[in-house]
Amino acid sequence: NAGVTQTPKFQVLKTGQSMTLQCAQDMNHNSMYWYRQDPGMGLRLIYYSASEGTTDKGEVPNGYNVSRLNKREFSLRLESAAPSQTSVYFCASSELGSSYGYTFGSGTRLTVV
Amino acid sequence: GENVEQHPSTLSVQEGDSAVIKCTYSDSASNYFPWYKQELGKGPQLIIDIRSNVGEKKDQRIAVTLNKTAKHFSLHITETQPEDSAVYFCAASRAALIFGKGTTLSVSS
Repeated sequence: NAGVTQTPKFQVLKTGQSMTLQCAQDMNHNSMYWYRQDPGMGLRLIYYSASEGTTDKGEVPNGYNVSRLNKREFSLRLESAAPSQTSVYFCASSELGSSYGYTFGSGTRLTVV
Repeated sequence: GENVEQHPSTLSVQEGDSAVIKCTYSDSASNYFPWYKQELGKGPQLIIDIRSNVGEKKDQRIAVTLNKTAKHFSLHITETQPEDSAVYFCAASRAALIFGKGTTLSVSS
């Protein structure tokens, strides 16, 4: 099925560990995004990539890095995980930037202990 | 940067009633205003959107209105059904979508 695929779906990390969240889309979309969702806080933008080869910071970029590996894939890396990064992470993509509806993945639930 | 405020945070209605969720935004350059529905354990799904050159858009029981002068937009759901129960998010866009904090809608039968 066409859409946005995120891996893994669940992950538990110890404080200080690193990991990479993977996201891939098969809709030939140009733009991709990473959000985190916390109770009562809505969806907050971490980083986005308007097109292949570009990345920009969002509302809450500290503690994260991203890589737009190719047009299909956009990864999010936590270099040294902290309990404050416990959250549900959503990847999204859109056809031509922010003026079109996003398609979201099903999310990665990350717990940092 | 853009800031989006959404009200109310929770909304309870009886089946068949109407529900209204309101959002305000700060960046006058924002030109795209979508609404998303999120069910438990799933990613948000686009339900309706409106662009800055349009004042109102309707899709069956769902409508969105936009007032660019006042920088606010609203979601209207008529004849609510239990399956409308979910969390609804508004968003505003310039470079990337900035979301409101969400409204938990509960429709009781």
